[in-house]
Amino acid sequence: ELKVEQNPLFLSMQEGKNYTIYCNYSTTSDRLYWYRQDPGKSLESLFVLLSNGAVKQEGRLMASLDTKARLSTLHITAAVHDLSATYFCAPITQGGSEKLVFGKGTKLTVNP
Amino acid sequence: SAVISQKPSRDICQRGTSLTIQCQVDSQVTMMFWYRQQPGQSLTLIATANQGSEATYESGFVIDKFPISRPNLTFSTLTVSNLSPEDSSIYLCSAERGVTDTQYFGPGTRLTVL
Repeated sequence: ELKVEQNPLFLSMQEGKNYTIYCNYSTTSDRLYWYRQDPGKSLESLFVLLSNGAVKQEGRLMASLDTKARLSTLHITAAVHDLSATYFCAPITQGGSEKLVFGKGTKLTVNP
Repeated sequence: SAVISQKPSRDICQRGTSLTIQCQVDSQVTMMFWYRQQPGQSLTLIATANQGSEATYESGFVIDKFPISRPNLTFSTLTVSNLSPEDSSIYLCSAERGVTDTQYFGPGTRLTVL
């Protein structure tokens, strides 16, 4: 059974600082998704990582995937208040019917 | 991208009744899913809505409680039956066009059971 662990679960940081959110998962997965959720809103897709070594960047966010280490990271560069949200990683199960398994989410607060 | 709408956006229901949630996608998709999210919590997959056949349910979810329909490639419904306060949650529909595509989410339906 695929299990997902995100660290940290809560993150408070100052504007302008850098930080990394970690997503570890327990069994083989070669595809992983990152989502953002604002309070009271639905999930917004940020990145789809499709293979080992995949790296994607959008603005101040960069995501990477290491399938051998079963690890994905979401790096935040020079944080701004608008990045405050909850971030979820979701690797996909393999074998049989594929489905996303979500981590618990990282609630990020960026303070001025 | 795919735009997903859900109806209703929220509802307050009495114990013992049922609520049917509709999910409409603006284009044909291969896969549709239903999730539940408790406030402040992560998402739990309820089932995969299969077009033209019975839904595939995850452990802990049964068809009698959560009947699902998917009559075509753009539409699905989830019914939450015999409601109890423990069913109070946000129900989200999602859709995917292909294995390398992202999974898009609808805005969610907030259900409160009294």
